[in-house]
Amino acid sequence: ETGVTQTPRHLVMGMTNKKSLKCEQHLGHNAMYWYKQSAKKPLELMFVYSLEERVENNSVPSRFSPECPNSSHLFLHLHTLQPEDSALYLCASSQERGGGYGYTFGSGTRLTVV
Amino acid sequence: GQQVMQIPQYQHVQEGEDFTTYCNSSTTLSNIQWYKQRPGGHPVFLIQLVKSGEVKKQKRLTFQFGEAKKNSSLHITATQTTDVGTYFCADKGTSYGKLTFGQGTILTVHP
Repeated sequence: ETGVTQTPRHLVMGMTNKKSLKCEQHLGHNAMYWYKQSAKKPLELMFVYSLEERVENNSVPSRFSPECPNSSHLFLHLHTLQPEDSALYLCASSQERGGGYGYTFGSGTRLTVV
Repeated sequence: GQQVMQIPQYQHVQEGEDFTTYCNSSTTLSNIQWYKQRPGGHPVFLIQLVKSGEVKKQKRLTFQFGEAKKNSSLHITATQTTDVGTYFCADKGTSYGKLTFGQGTILTVHP
């Protein structure tokens, strides 16, 4: 256990489905992130939430919709995805402003779009 | 935007040999962080370097930050099979919480 829990671990969805990825952190951190990891590509930052406010949206398509209801929970809502969206989606948290050390990553959700 | 280049992309070594991965940027890096991702796993934070010329050690791992803060390296002495995985460097930029990752170096250690 890393202190950041992601569910589900694996997800297969059709292009017309709607699903959500969930992330929960138990570390008392004040920032949370969604990253996408595809084969042969660097980790791509998708969204940053600081104190429940979105501070970064890295030109992510609107078929990905984040939600951060409180400082411990982060969701990624998915709809009408494309096969190229198949990847490992990683949630991370960190303590910014005085902490500033490493990110703690969850185990990820392996998403396959068929 | 900030680009962090990491080389080599792949490295195969015999157990007991040394290994080094390099991280380079055309612009000044803010803080450098290093992560390790085991096969099938998730990135795990190893260390952060902040100061120009900084050197830190963790057992067989030595981390360096260049004098001009444009490069960094991770050196592993006498690799073991437990060292296999992908090693990433990441620049902790000035934007709030933003971490930009290099492409990673995939290390394979042959027993």
